[in-house]
Amino acid sequence: GNSVTQMEGPVTLSEEAFLTINCTYTATGYPSLFWYVQYPGEGLQLLLKATKADDKGSNKGFEATYRKETTSFHLEKGSVQVSDSAVYFCALRLDSWGKLQFGAGTQVVVTP
Amino acid sequence: GAVVSQHPSWVICKSGTSVKIECRSLDFQATTMFWYRQFPKQSLMLMATSNEGSKATYEQGVEKDKFLINHASLTLSTLTVTSAHPEDSSFYICSARPTSGGDSSYEQYFGPGTRLTVT
Repeated sequence: GNSVTQMEGPVTLSEEAFLTINCTYTATGYPSLFWYVQYPGEGLQLLLKATKADDKGSNKGFEATYRKETTSFHLEKGSVQVSDSAVYFCALRLDSWGKLQFGAGTQVVVTP
Repeated sequence: GAVVSQHPSWVICKSGTSVKIECRSLDFQATTMFWYRQFPKQSLMLMATSNEGSKATYEQGVEKDKFLINHASLTLSTLTVTSAHPEDSSFYICSARPTSGGDSSYEQYFGPGTRLTVT
């Protein structure tokens, strides 16, 4: 079946550090891939997406590349800020209706 | 931007009672809405897909008679937890997919969630 695996948190970083959150998936066919972010007390927001192999999604300094050969979609940011503290979810889109399969989420804590 | 609200944001109810949770798209129309359940420190689990004017499609293992979904308009879907029990305590999240096509068809906008505690 389809599944998304992402690294466990919490991940604690100092401001301006480099952030990587690993995400791998198993799926039939070629899904679209997403990263969502959930700030404290808020709903999930789409951070970035990639719809086909080798696509790179980017937003707010975050990047992720759709790697079909390694079935991965790792999230990276070169210099994190305290405001990046949140829970990050990797997800794949299963069908044209928009059903999403989520990873477990990774909490990121950035300290000043 | 597109906003989805949920009401209530938290609710406490007694075992055996029913609770209704509303999900509204405030500034767009949504033919399709999704209901998720999130356990502490775990991922979101899709419960059902709600389509305006038709019956909801439930994921395997979700009791449709217990979790009643109604999507009566293009801006409102409701989830009713019937005869709630303590094991139904959870964080329920909805999302709404805009009816308009194009790139926005990939977007889902999430509500802030509803915390249900059954005592």
